[in-house]
Amino acid sequence: GENVEQHPSTLSVQEGDSAVIKCTYSDSASNYFPWYKQELGKRPQLIIDIRSNVGEKKDQRIAVTLNKTAKHFSLHITETQPEDSAVYFCAAKGGGADGLTFGKGTHLIIQP
Amino acid sequence: DAGITQSPRHKVTETGTPVTLRCHQTENHRYMYWYRQDPGHGLRLIHYSYGVKDTDKGEVSDGYSVSRSKTEDFLLTLESATSSQTSVYFCAISEWGFSNQPQHFGDGTRLSIL
Repeated sequence: GENVEQHPSTLSVQEGDSAVIKCTYSDSASNYFPWYKQELGKRPQLIIDIRSNVGEKKDQRIAVTLNKTAKHFSLHITETQPEDSAVYFCAAKGGGADGLTFGKGTHLIIQP
Repeated sequence: DAGITQSPRHKVTETGTPVTLRCHQTENHRYMYWYRQDPGHGLRLIHYSYGVKDTDKGEVSDGYSVSRSKTEDFLLTLESATSSQTSVYFCAISEWGFSNQPQHFGDGTRLSIL
């Protein structure tokens, strides 16, 4: 089955700086890669996703890049703000009806 | 927010007792999923459903069963709860499964097995 590795497990950045979280996947058939943000005690919320026919996608301060050849994808957050502090999860999914395979999460800490 | 309601939100029970968690959606989405979330493991798929009475196993299905008798409800049952099943359980829905539509999550059920 699919295996998703996520790094780093904890990331501390100064407010206003950029943050990058990286994930690798094992199944070359995977074609959908969402990112979720989870605040303490809350549900995971989808923040951005990318499909395998696209190399990059942006939404305001958030961007995701995908390298299918290397089987890795990354989340980029620019001009970080205190409200960006949370745990971020990457995930991968193939073309079947089954669910997502998640990375183990990155705890992003924004230092004032 | 997607119309997903999980119940109960919190439950404490004893080892060996049966437990049923409910996921109710108002979106009329075909696909529904149950995940568990544990520290250091992220979220892991337990079971999923691709239609009424159509279900299949996920990565960590041992000790769990599911049922879906109508589109809006997806039930997760622990026939005889064990302490290793202490976790936070999330339900998710998506409009389509094969075409990789986004999955949206409910607020979760925190389950403690003593």
